[in-house]
Amino acid sequence: GAVVSQHPSRVICKSGTSVKIECRSLDFQATTMFWYRQFPKKSLMLMATSNEGSKATYEQGVEKDKFLINHASLTLSTLTVTSAHPEDSSFYICSSRQGGATGELFFGEGSRLTVL
Amino acid sequence: AQTVTQSQPEMSVQEAETVTLSCTYDTSESDYYLFWYKQPPSRQMILVIRQEAYKQQNATENRFSVNFQKAAKSFSLKISDSQLGDAAMYFCACTISGTYKYIFGTGTRLKVLA
Repeated sequence: GAVVSQHPSRVICKSGTSVKIECRSLDFQATTMFWYRQFPKKSLMLMATSNEGSKATYEQGVEKDKFLINHASLTLSTLTVTSAHPEDSSFYICSSRQGGATGELFFGEGSRLTVL
Repeated sequence: AQTVTQSQPEMSVQEAETVTLSCTYDTSESDYYLFWYKQPPSRQMILVIRQEAYKQQNATENRFSVNFQKAAKSFSLKISDSQLGDAAMYFCACTISGTYKYIFGTGTRLKVLA
């Protein structure tokens, strides 16, 4: 199967700073990547869909100015949490798919963000 | 709107025994796909099994099989001969054909007892 790699796996930052999380497709070209947020004992919540070469599509209720997504190449999408606050602490997971919309999702390892 | 419901927050199974994880979903679409994903502790989510809604035959993958009841909108996962490595969070998910949105359930934590 396809490999998606996410970095960093853990990050701790101070309130008010910005944090960038990278998501790479290692062995395939990902025109679309998905960013999820996972709360403890909760499901995965789709935050946005990242499209290579164009603007990301954000889900309702997700602040696009706080969660900046850039998909500058076919193998890299980044999520930047700007002016982070403790309530942004969470587990962020990226994923992508090969082939058509019915294909399985391949997930990154996830990034645990802790904002102090 | 689609919904996916997993009513079992946690399940336990004795090693080598069989366990069934429940999932119900709701959609008005006729062409959709259902998945079970596994999320081991501190590891990536991986696909366990997939079922196309138009297929009547239940999907199987080695020790993993599903009981797909389309009319009842039920999609349970059966794990046979449970192994310690099966311990993980299991998520049921649904996606409509031709779309990119996957709706996940809240997950079931499976513990495997030695």
